[in-house]
Amino acid sequence: DVKVTQSSRYLVKRTGEKVFLECVQDMDHENMFWYRQDPGLGLRLIYFSYDVKMKEKGDIPEGYSVSREKKERFSLILESASTNQTSMYLCASRSLQGATEAFFGQGTRLTVV
Amino acid sequence: DAKTTQPPSMDCAEGRAANLPCNHSTISGNEYVYWYRQIHSQGPQYIIHGLKNNETNEMASLIITEDRKSSTLILPHATLRDTAVYYCIVRPRYSGNTPLVFGKGTRLSVIA
Repeated sequence: DVKVTQSSRYLVKRTGEKVFLECVQDMDHENMFWYRQDPGLGLRLIYFSYDVKMKEKGDIPEGYSVSREKKERFSLILESASTNQTSMYLCASRSLQGATEAFFGQGTRLTVV
Repeated sequence: DAKTTQPPSMDCAEGRAANLPCNHSTISGNEYVYWYRQIHSQGPQYIIHGLKNNETNEMASLIITEDRKSSTLILPHATLRDTAVYYCIVRPRYSGNTPLVFGKGTRLSVIA
């Protein structure tokens, strides 16, 4: 089974802290994505990456950065966490070869206090 | 990607078939219909996809109209565990590096 693993299921951080959310996939997928999900707003794309060291901004990149040093790992970084970044964060991966179904991690529920 | 329209919510009695509609009147010839679902507090899960023929797998059936402007996802015997938000997405089968874009979906409540 394809596995997308997010490092934490729940996280509580203080305002101003630097926060790292890690995502690892074990299927050698080229594409990886970070979404956030808030009630009434659905899933919104923050950043995505289509190759190592490559990244593209999504719809709401402000306040976030990403890192993809290895193919299997895609990190989302909150440089200085703020309360409006309290949300559910979802990582996904997808292969460019054959089927294009995306596989999602279980999500990280981040609370910034 | 073509735009889709789904009802915001639906109820279904446990054990009955759940029929979830999706409108995609601007679909183009090379675009497939994909369905995902998201159970509360989990990541979205792929269910099924199709181009123009009806499709069935162990999770669901997908019925696409002949003009391809709408489709219906069918859960033949809904259980309480099928309570989730269901997303209909239209996009080319091989869409390169472009990300999935999710709409608001349909919140299905299966009632005992």
